[in-house]
Amino acid sequence: SAVISQKPSRDICQRGTSLTIQCQVDSQVTMMFWYRQQPGQSLTLIATANQGSEATYESGFVIDKFPISRPNLTFSTLTVSNMSPEDSSIYLCSVVGYVTSGRKRGDEQFFGPGTRLTVL
Amino acid sequence: DQQVKQNSPSLSVQEGRISILNCDYTNSMFDYFLWYKKYPAEGPTFLISISSIKDKNEDGRFTVFLNKSAKHLSLHIVPSQPGDSAVYFCAASAYGDASKLTFGTGTRLQVTL
Repeated sequence: SAVISQKPSRDICQRGTSLTIQCQVDSQVTMMFWYRQQPGQSLTLIATANQGSEATYESGFVIDKFPISRPNLTFSTLTVSNMSPEDSSIYLCSVVGYVTSGRKRGDEQFFGPGTRLTVL
Repeated sequence: DQQVKQNSPSLSVQEGRISILNCDYTNSMFDYFLWYKKYPAEGPTFLISISSIKDKNEDGRFTVFLNKSAKHLSLHIVPSQPGDSAVYFCAASAYGDASKLTFGTGTRLQVTL
């Protein structure tokens, strides 16, 4: 399976500050995504990280609040800007199209371990 | 608007018995369904999936059943093992785009000795 790492694994931040979360995959992948899981809620897709172009955001999420970068096929960042306590969540990156053993896994989505963010 | 619902937040089953986790959906455009398992401090891991052209898919101890008319799917684990204790998420996608998933809120399964 894919090896996906996220940094930091957890953080406690002050209101009004910003945090950048990194996602690194051990091999090139077709697609990368960012999800949020608020306490007691399901995983919600924030955006699709597009390599070399602006991310595609889902309804309710905007670039000013969640800027995303994807400079290459193995790395992406998500920034949570001007944080408030409502942003306290687990943030997860996921990938699709992971090439393993020479065969492209077309539809299986692999998730990173998540970043637990607490905003005070 | 919760399009994928897991109405049981938790389930406790004895080791060796069958675990049945349920999931309901409302969007009739969903045509691909998945189950993920999540341990604490780890990301969800893919368990099993089913396309809407099927009504059953088996993989070892895990079987997923799909009832399209009822917009209901279930995951059966038999026999249940202590290592199965985790949170199970049901997810769905539409138009054959398995990359965009809508998740349920999860069911915490505890398998007791």
